[in-house]
Amino acid sequence: GNSVTQMEGPVTLSEEAFLTINCTYTATGYPSLFWYVQYPGEGLQLLLKATKADDKGSNKGFEATYRKETTSFHLEKGSVQVSDSAVYFCAPKLIFGQGTTLQVKP
Amino acid sequence: GAGVSQTPSNKVTEKGKYVELRCDPISGHTALYWYRQSLGQGPEFLIYFQGTGAADDSGLPNDRFFAVRPEGSVSTLKIQRTERGDSAVYLCASSLWLAGAGEQFFGPGTRLTVL
Repeated sequence: GNSVTQMEGPVTLSEEAFLTINCTYTATGYPSLFWYVQYPGEGLQLLLKATKADDKGSNKGFEATYRKETTSFHLEKGSVQVSDSAVYFCAPKLIFGQGTTLQVKP
Repeated sequence: GAGVSQTPSNKVTEKGKYVELRCDPISGHTALYWYRQSLGQGPEFLIYFQGTGAADDSGLPNDRFFAVRPEGSVSTLKIQRTERGDSAVYLCASSLWLAGAGEQFFGPGTRLTVL
């Protein structure tokens, strides 16, 4: 069946540090891939998506590239801010990872 | 409405009771999804509807759980003979397109507590 494995958290970084959150998945076919984010006290919202192999999704300085050969969709940001502190979920199709908590310290 | 709404926002019930959770999707969205999220976990897929029909109910944990969407808009998740293990946040989402292809818009959730 379909599954997703996300990097375990919490991840604690200083402001302006580089961020990578790993995500690998197994799925039938080549599903669209999503990263969702949940800020403290808020609901889940889409961060970015990629619909086919080699697509790069990007939003708010975050990027992720759909890698068919490695079935991965790692999330990256070059310089994190305190306001990026949240829980991030990788989601191929209807399956969500367990979430990675990011804490950014000033 | 502007977004997905869910009622009630909180529900406390006793073990063995029946509960109904309601979801109002974004107008025009044909796909509707139910998930449940336990503390520290990601959303766990329960069921999704395409229009009025349940296109995939493989995530429903047992026959105490049932969901309907009679007119292709509002949906109700029904849980019979609730158990303490059913306590979680129940999330509803909707999207324009078929599941897996389009962005899902999530509601704020219903926090269910079974005493």
